[in-house]
Amino acid sequence: EPEVTQTPSHQVTQMGQEVILRCVPISNHLYFYWYRQILGQKVEFLVSFYNNEISEKSEIFDDQFSVERPDGSNFTLKIRSTKLEDSAMYFCASRALGTSGTDTQYFGPGTRLTVL
Amino acid sequence: GQQLNQSPQSMFIQEGEDVSMNCTSSSIFNTWLWYKQDPGEGPVLLIALYKAGELTSNGRLTAQFGITRKDSFLNISASIPSDVGIYFCAGQLYWGKLQFGAGTQVVVTP
Repeated sequence: EPEVTQTPSHQVTQMGQEVILRCVPISNHLYFYWYRQILGQKVEFLVSFYNNEISEKSEIFDDQFSVERPDGSNFTLKIRSTKLEDSAMYFCASRALGTSGTDTQYFGPGTRLTVL
Repeated sequence: GQQLNQSPQSMFIQEGEDVSMNCTSSSIFNTWLWYKQDPGEGPVLLIALYKAGELTSNGRLTAQFGITRKDSFLNISASIPSDVGIYFCAGQLYWGKLQFGAGTQVVVTP
């Protein structure tokens, strides 16, 4: 069964450093998302991406964050200058073009980001 | 923004018992989804509901999309040890972002 993959599984970085989290969505999916989950809290929406542009973003997704689909398969989340409070699990999700039974978002296993 | 409340926060049950949890929202959703998350893993989709009043089963799991479109429940029948985990509801308006509940931690004892 096709699945969303994410790399790395765990990233440790120093405060102020840039990080890039990578995702390979399910191959025929057209909508892509990033969510994050701070330890012990609920999953929070960051950004959605369709047709090579951001379609929606949350308040969390400030100027320090950016997303890119550099080629036909990868979807990346960049944090330019990490802060301690960016430590969280980051989940990528993807969705097919919305028709009945196919507009469900499927999640990757996540990248645990630890900012020291 | 929409407020989404999930209850209970945690449940400690014996193997074989049924489990029930629910989510309520301050406003309507078009889609309700139920996910399970194991430690260190991403959410795994259990059931998706697309129509008000819809009742859907997936094995021992049954979920319903409330008629008001502001609530949903999930039942797990005859629980087994591998049902342990955190269960999240998520609401979706049209085809946009998912809004998650705070989760229900389920612990199953033999």
